[in-house]
Amino acid sequence: AQRVTQPEKLLSVFKGAPVELKCNYSYSGSPELFWYVQYSRQRLQLLLRHISRESIKGFTADLNKGETSFHLKKPFAQEEDSAMYYCALSGGSYKLIFGSGTRLLVRP
Amino acid sequence: DADVTQTPRNRITKTGKRIMLECSQTKGHDRMYWYRQDPGLGLRLIYYSFDVKDINKGEISDGYSVSRQAQAKFSLSLESAIPNQTALYFCATSDGQGTQPQHFGDGTRLSIL
Repeated sequence: AQRVTQPEKLLSVFKGAPVELKCNYSYSGSPELFWYVQYSRQRLQLLLRHISRESIKGFTADLNKGETSFHLKKPFAQEEDSAMYYCALSGGSYKLIFGSGTRLLVRP
Repeated sequence: DADVTQTPRNRITKTGKRIMLECSQTKGHDRMYWYRQDPGLGLRLIYYSFDVKDINKGEISDGYSVSRQAQAKFSLSLESAIPNQTALYFCATSDGQGTQPQHFGDGTRLSIL
């Protein structure tokens, strides 16, 4: 079965601290993984996808097939990073399976 | 941007009523999706459609139905609403080439009393 697990409901850090939002997945094939972000009062939007291997707003994520993980990282958190973050998996059927989300709170 | 538009944005109704949520898009995408979002559960797929003649159940389709009236329109119906269908509902679209990112609407907040 395809599954995405985000173990932390809430992650609270101080401004300037490193951030790592965890995402683990379960899928037997070659997955495509995404991170979506939902800022307060805004719609859900794509942050990054693993095949792009790019850094968006200072965030990066590396697919680790051995550990079946796709953790989202940023070396220095900013207050404007406070949002709800969702990890999502596409297992070849063009559907997305979402994790339960992690709320990131960056305190001044 | 308003290229994925959901109506209404908010709706309060009573148990047993029939409700329709509408989604329209100007992105020209073939694929459209309906999700519900509940606290602590993330987004769960209700139905999806890959073109006008294609309708597929998602993981939680019971109690819901959909209609793909045109490439640009995908509506979600609750035939007889019940309180545990109270949630935030999102429509999304994606391009029809491979696995593409999904583009979301602003959501419809539905409360069933």
